[in-house]
Amino acid sequence: NAGVTQTPKFRILKIGQSMTLQCAQDMNHNYMYWYRQDPGMGLKLIYYSVGAGITDKGEVPNGYNVSRSTTEDFPLRLELAAPSQTSVYFCASSFPGLAYNEQFFGPGTRLTVL
Amino acid sequence: GDSVTQMEGPVTLSEEAFLTINCTYTATGYPSLFWYVQYPGEGLQLLLKATKADDKGSNKGFEATYRKETTSFHLEKGSVQVSDSAVYFCASVGGTASKLTFGTGTRLQVTL
Repeated sequence: NAGVTQTPKFRILKIGQSMTLQCAQDMNHNYMYWYRQDPGMGLKLIYYSVGAGITDKGEVPNGYNVSRSTTEDFPLRLELAAPSQTSVYFCASSFPGLAYNEQFFGPGTRLTVL
Repeated sequence: GDSVTQMEGPVTLSEEAFLTINCTYTATGYPSLFWYVQYPGEGLQLLLKATKADDKGSNKGFEATYRKETTSFHLEKGSVQVSDSAVYFCASVGGTASKLTFGTGTRLQVTL
């Protein structure tokens, strides 16, 4: 099992550009999540999904969009990138009924918007 | 809403020193509690967990006890190593879809 994979690892965007951060998991987990990690601020939930075709907003959804067409993939779309979106983005997955509701994290994507 | 508060870092210790990182939570009900660790350049890994009052989670020499009366889940290790240098996050789970609420993280630096 590869677990949770994310691409790209690093990206630099100019203000106003768009991009999609890719996330995939091969554990057949129903639940998937996107977080952003700002220095000294911990992780904030952007969007989450409880299954294919179902997504919902987290704490900081503005400026982002998601889709979930398959169980495996959960891409995060940034439209009109802004410097405030400079952050490290983590994708995670979980399965309802897993002991302790454990979430498994990908290695992250470091995004800089200039 | 739910929240998690953990002590500010960075924490700098000499090898073999005792470690405590404080964590308190506010939540509706009794959430499961976690400590995640993030090594430099990597994602988060689950370090230990506890689901109910007085549960003690332990892993790699780290321990934390779920204290309902003080709403705390402090992380401890009796003798830290240089390889323990990382950022440690306390988290609680709750609500639909098992969403996690994280503390701000505490950076630990262990020196020889």
